[in-house]
Amino acid sequence: IAGITQAPTSQILAAGRRMTLRCTQDMRHNAMYWYRQDLGLGLRLIHYSNTAGTTGKGEVPDGYSVSRANTDDFPLTLASAVPSQTSVYFCASRKTAGGTEAFFGQGTRLTVV
Amino acid sequence: GQQVMQIPQYQHVQEGEDFTTYCNSSTTLSNIQWYKQRPGGHPVFLIQLVKSGEVKKQKRLTFQFGEAKKNSSLHITATQTTDVGTYFCAGPNGATNKLIFGTGTLLAVQP
Repeated sequence: IAGITQAPTSQILAAGRRMTLRCTQDMRHNAMYWYRQDLGLGLRLIHYSNTAGTTGKGEVPDGYSVSRANTDDFPLTLASAVPSQTSVYFCASRKTAGGTEAFFGQGTRLTVV
Repeated sequence: GQQVMQIPQYQHVQEGEDFTTYCNSSTTLSNIQWYKQRPGGHPVFLIQLVKSGEVKKQKRLTFQFGEAKKNSSLHITATQTTDVGTYFCAGPNGATNKLIFGTGTLLAVQP
């Protein structure tokens, strides 16, 4: 079934550790996004990529990095996790950078202790 | 930077009552999208509006895009328990097309 897959589903991580959240889509979408969702704050954009080989900063990029080596994969890395990065992380993709619907993964629930 | 705000943040209604959420952008939008997120789930696309003043309907849901293309609303007629969830509006940042989401409105429906 075509779609967007995130891994892991959930993770408890010690502060200071490095962590990569994985996101893979098989829809050949050009644009991909990482959001974090916190109660009362909605979905905030961390980083995005309009096409393979390019990335850009979103609303809350500090403490996170991304890469887009190919069309399908868009991993999100926390270099040194802090408790304030406890959140639910959603990866999304859409066919083009402008004007089309976004498809979301199931989310990764990350707890930093 | 671009901000997209929604009101109310939370709404509790009796089943059968109507519900409206409002979305306001600090900048003019080329289009606006609406998503629904069920409790414990992920956001799912509902609709996209493109034209100034555009109104679209999906069964009991009515979506409207403001004349100035800076605001939008979602109205649900006669809510049902299946309408429970968080409703988000989203719009593209004009310069980069990154997709910015509103703060969301959580709808609770009491049977």
